[in-house]
Amino acid sequence: GDSVTQMEGPVTLSEEAFLTINCTYTATGYPSLFWYVQYPGEGLQLLLKATKADDKGSNKGFEATYRKETTSFHLEKGSVQVSDSAVYFCALSVGRGSQGNLIFGKGTKLSVKP
Amino acid sequence: GAVVSQHPSRVICKSGTSVKIECRSLDFQATTMFWYRQFPKQSLMLMATSNEGSKATYEQGVEKDKFLINHASLTLSTLTVTSAHPEDSSFYICSAIHPGYGYTFGSGTRLTVV
Repeated sequence: GDSVTQMEGPVTLSEEAFLTINCTYTATGYPSLFWYVQYPGEGLQLLLKATKADDKGSNKGFEATYRKETTSFHLEKGSVQVSDSAVYFCALSVGRGSQGNLIFGKGTKLSVKP
Repeated sequence: GAVVSQHPSRVICKSGTSVKIECRSLDFQATTMFWYRQFPKQSLMLMATSNEGSKATYEQGVEKDKFLINHASLTLSTLTVTSAHPEDSSFYICSAIHPGYGYTFGSGTRLTVV
């Protein structure tokens, strides 16, 4: 079945360090891919998305490129800030465009130290 | 933008009592809403899909008699945890699909059963 695998955390970085959170997926169709962010005690917020191969999603300095050949959607940021500390979820949806059922990875907790 | 309001944000109840959680789409109509459960340090697991005017669709392993879902209007879905027990303590999140913004999540409800 469809699934998402992302690197296990926690990830601890110093401020201004480079961030990569790996995400790979398996899907029978042509999924849309998402990164969501969850700040402590809050629900999920969409960070960025890509709906077809080679698309790059970007927001708030974060980027991820939809790589069909490697079935990956790795999240990157060139210089993290303390305020980026949160849990990041990679997700996919298949069917009904980008609005099929969402399937989430297990989440990666990021802690950024000053 | 799209806003989904979830209430309450935190609730503590005694074992054996029932708790109702509300999920409202504030500026759009949602014929379908989703309820997720999140265990500590784990991903979101889809519990059920709430359909306006009809019965909810539950995921495998979710007790429909324990987690009652009602979607009586196009802007409101409720999840009632009946006869709650400590093992029901969790973080519950709802979401709805906004026509333009896609998946939009509530801020979640932290349920603690004592």
